[in-house]
Amino acid sequence: LAKTTQPISMDSYEGQEVNITCSHNNIATNDYITWYQQFPSQGPRFIIQGYKTKVTNEVASLFIPADRKSSTLSLPRVSLSDTAVYYCLVGPANYGQNFVFGPGTRLSVLP
Amino acid sequence: GAGVSQSPSNKVTEKGKDVELRCDPISGHTALYWYRQRLGQGLEFLIYFQGNSAPDKSGLPSDRFSAERTGESVSTLTIQRTQQEDSAVYLCASRRGEVNSPLHFGNGTRLTVT
Repeated sequence: LAKTTQPISMDSYEGQEVNITCSHNNIATNDYITWYQQFPSQGPRFIIQGYKTKVTNEVASLFIPADRKSSTLSLPRVSLSDTAVYYCLVGPANYGQNFVFGPGTRLSVLP
Repeated sequence: GAGVSQSPSNKVTEKGKDVELRCDPISGHTALYWYRQRLGQGLEFLIYFQGNSAPDKSGLPSDRFSAERTGESVSTLTIQRTQQEDSAVYLCASRRGEVNSPLHFGNGTRLTVT
């Protein structure tokens, strides 16, 4: 599975837009890019998924360049409740492969 | 609908005892995954099931760890002769059969070995 690299931590202030970039240089043709959010004492939860170009839902946007070697999760106008760890996951090329999580990005939103 | 359910939510056990952790996946989800998360750390893959077979057991840290799954339903993770380093949150996730189906996680079992 494609290995991912993300910043370990980021700080932001309420109301700002936050962009978290994930590098996945050896992404496979059939891999999808999925982002998860984890709050303390909870399991990760799905935020958004994409294959190419841009995807937007009620929570976030995901930007994927043409070469798909990176992706950027964009959180508009963050609030204190967006403080969490964000994981970028790439795969699977084939159904049935396991999912390996990287260390994620710890986002702290300050008042 | 109901999400992934894990029990117990908390477990305190003495070193050397065996523990059994349970995961009830979302109905219809064919794949099931177990992860371990130590305090302040990321998710460590343990094992995954496709139906009731386990194609990948590569993450199990030692032979004290085992897991089984009944059909496409409940899974149990068993840790024998627990050690203090086994203290962690054990997370279970399930997903549907489509290749891009995302993982759905439970809230985990927090295991403390004293």
